[in-house]
Amino acid sequence: EADIYQTPRYLVIGTGKKITLECSQTMGHDKMYWYQQDPGMELHLIHYSYGVNSTEKGDLSSESTVSRIRTEHFPLTLESARPSHTSQYLCASSPGARGYTFGSGTRLTVV
Amino acid sequence: QQQVKQSPQSLIVQKGGISIINCAYENTAFDYFPWYQQFPGKGPALLIAIRPDVSEKKEGRFTISFNKSAKQFSLHIMDSQPGDSATYFCAATHSGSARQLTFGSGTQLTVLP
Repeated sequence: EADIYQTPRYLVIGTGKKITLECSQTMGHDKMYWYQQDPGMELHLIHYSYGVNSTEKGDLSSESTVSRIRTEHFPLTLESARPSHTSQYLCASSPGARGYTFGSGTRLTVV
Repeated sequence: QQQVKQSPQSLIVQKGGISIINCAYENTAFDYFPWYQQFPGKGPALLIAIRPDVSEKKEGRFTISFNKSAKQFSLHIMDSQPGDSATYFCAATHSGSARQLTFGSGTQLTVLP
């Protein structure tokens, strides 16, 4: 039933590894967002995109990068993971007028 | 000016009681106010939303009350159930922000059986 998909759901990885968190949506939404969230806590916007080849940094400084080569795909990459990157990462998309649809998130643990 | 302040941070209610979560905003340009519900291990999901031209919107046991002059809005959960236990986020947006949502800090609701 989900129209926005995040993979993997859980990831445990060693310090210094490069990782990519995948986010895809089938709704044709132009706007997509990445949030970082500790469980049950505030949502912190780290990246957003208003369309293909458009990406911006959010309110929370992040060492991650994103790309938007296709409308439906908005991956997030960490070049060198650190324990401070341990968190939940939520992807969302929006048509602009009616709020966001969120994915189920990726729970990242860096050991 | 973009901030949305949410309270309380956590709330414990007995089954059958009324849960009330409050939000206040500063930016008078905001024109759409959604509430999101998030269960552990899931992303937030849209619960109910209101525009400032109405003072109340009700969907089942969930009601948003909106006070434009006070720049406040609140979520009321009537007959609260243990299954309502979740984190609730208020949010606000306006067309000048490209419809980007500004979220409150969240309220963790626990409904005791």
